[in-house]
Amino acid sequence: AQKITQTQPGMFVQEKEAVTLDCTYDTSDQSYGLFWYKQPSSGEMIFLIYQGSYDEQNATEGRYSLNFQKARKSANLVISASQLGDSAMYFCAMRGEKYSGGSNYKLTFGKGTLLTVNP
Amino acid sequence: GAVVSQHPSRVICKSGTSVKIECRSLDFQATTMFWYRQFPKKSLMLMATSNEGSKATYEQGVEKDKFLINHASLTLSTLTVTSAHPEDSSFYICSAKRYRDTEAFFGQGTRLTVV
Repeated sequence: AQKITQTQPGMFVQEKEAVTLDCTYDTSDQSYGLFWYKQPSSGEMIFLIYQGSYDEQNATEGRYSLNFQKARKSANLVISASQLGDSAMYFCAMRGEKYSGGSNYKLTFGKGTLLTVNP
Repeated sequence: GAVVSQHPSRVICKSGTSVKIECRSLDFQATTMFWYRQFPKKSLMLMATSNEGSKATYEQGVEKDKFLINHASLTLSTLTVTSAHPEDSSFYICSAKRYRDTEAFFGQGTRLTVV
């Protein structure tokens, strides 16, 4: 079974500062993928970043980076230089080996972290 | 990134009626589409996975006869909530992916209110 744990129901950060959103996962799969999605109050889910379990480098996408520590089974999202528009729910998700492609693709989501960026 | 459009964004229907929600991939062919339900301040719960031209695969506990899913083409999947009840009120969101893609792309979601 796969499980995603996000222990921070809410986080606050000052504008222009960096913030780390925590995510730990549990799986027995050797190959898996980790995702972060942003959900603004409007509801849509916006894909932010992906990390494969065999990727040697931590993933980065603009102001987003994923701090992947495989031995600790953690995949924390780091947002640098926070902006007011970053205020949203953030979900960590996982796709296991069995659900890696085609019709077997399946994401397991954490409960999310509500990030508030203060001016 | 790929664009997924979901329609309508909000719908209010009377108890006992059916409502259809559409999910379209606008600029790519989606071999697989997914339907999720999200309760307020909760995570996304996968309801079903659909592949073009075949029957949807429902998650355990999801009523197949209440939540009808059709994936008639590579760009369109529909979710029909039949005989809706107030407890079906929720936020429904679809996602779509191409066969070789790593990530799935989400629609804007539909807020269903059954009165």
